[in-house]
Amino acid sequence: KAGVTQTPRYLIKTRGQQVTLSCSPISGHRSVSWYQQTPGQGLQFLFEYFSETQRNKGNFPGRFSGRQFSNSRSEMNVSTLELGDSALYLCASSLTTGVDQPQHFGDGTRLSIL
Amino acid sequence: KNQVEQSPQSLIILEGKNCTLQCNYTVSPFSNLRWYKQDTGRGPVSLTIMTFSENTKSNGRYTATLDADTKQSSLHITASQLSDSASYICVVILTGGGNKLTFGTGTQLKVEL
Repeated sequence: KAGVTQTPRYLIKTRGQQVTLSCSPISGHRSVSWYQQTPGQGLQFLFEYFSETQRNKGNFPGRFSGRQFSNSRSEMNVSTLELGDSALYLCASSLTTGVDQPQHFGDGTRLSIL
Repeated sequence: KNQVEQSPQSLIILEGKNCTLQCNYTVSPFSNLRWYKQDTGRGPVSLTIMTFSENTKSNGRYTATLDADTKQSSLHITASQLSDSASYICVVILTGGGNKLTFGTGTQLKVEL
């Protein structure tokens, strides 16, 4: 069974631009969560989608948004990029939503802002 | 102050030796506590998941313990291998609805010959 696939693996953008990251969950998984990982802050939860609906949201500004499609694939969008948005963005999928659900992570998209 | 503190921040050990990583948390009430291993350039991989009522959970050479009274967890690695070199992250998941994950900043382990 294929794992969680994130594309692209690497991305370079400049300040003020916007970016869209993609995540394909494990087949059959309906919940997708997004995380930001930086050396200083570690892993931080962005949001979770289940059945095309945002179920939970972390403490990030509105520039960070996402959506989920009917096939459970998810995209994350960041608008008006800032230097501080440089990070590894990780996606994790699980069968369903709920705090007891094991999560399977992709290898992330490394976003660099110049 | 981070609500999930991990120690040490980094650790170097010789292949074949054992080591113990610590995780102290202040958040509560929690549903479960997880340990992840993250290799450089890869996403985290789950090692153990423990509910608040469990004291220990093993996964091969990895054994996690939990003391809910003192709010401490440890991850013990037995007979370390070079492939154990990675970052180990402790995650506390809160109850009360919502996806309330609180991550530690990790312990960077290096296993040398």
